[in-house]
Amino acid sequence: DAMVIQNPRYQVTQFGKPVTLSCSQTLNHNVMYWYQQKSSQAPKLLFHYYDKDFNNEADTPDNFQSRRPNTSFCFLDIRSPGLGDAAMYLCATSRDRGAVGELFFGEGSRLTVL
Amino acid sequence: LAKTTQPISMDSYEGQEVNITCSHNNIATNDYITWYQQFPSQGPRFIIQGYKTKVTNEVASLFIPADRKSSTLSLPRVSLSDTAVYYCLVGDIRDDKIIFGKGTRLHILP
Repeated sequence: DAMVIQNPRYQVTQFGKPVTLSCSQTLNHNVMYWYQQKSSQAPKLLFHYYDKDFNNEADTPDNFQSRRPNTSFCFLDIRSPGLGDAAMYLCATSRDRGAVGELFFGEGSRLTVL
Repeated sequence: LAKTTQPISMDSYEGQEVNITCSHNNIATNDYITWYQQFPSQGPRFIIQGYKTKVTNEVASLFIPADRKSSTLSLPRVSLSDTAVYYCLVGDIRDDKIIFGKGTRLHILP
């Protein structure tokens, strides 16, 4: 059974039309991450939550926002998508913060911007 | 976080053992080494993690020399389904930022 579920798997939007991607987890993990992955590139960390503590990467554009209303759910909001925001968006969880231990990824949400 | 360097791509044949080496010259005392596998259009999947010497699980082995400045992921008897990108990560429990390097694109040929 999937433990990290992302919806939708595929999202098509128009330039400038807001988009929300969702992530849910059944692992009860404290940490949730959002990564952006463009074609043939490595995943790029956008931000993460440790419980309700939000941590934004310095180079994450203001156009990207996130919400974590409870332990199980996390949302990625792209306020005004541009063509350069077309990518796979990956959600991941871990039991605790830090680079020791396993990250559990969802299948990803692929965003197309027309 | 210690910077990692891996080969951009590798080719091998079905049934062979594949070794992918990751260089991490600036690894810190408390850093662990973790490898992930990613298939196209899927999220990365944890393969193995180690601190020193050798770690083995049902999927792979991880060899770490005494100086820990490099590590080698060993995949025994690969099949076509092992074609994927393999990422080496280095970090410790204090690292909030889990950063992926460029990875190694492994092609398994029949």
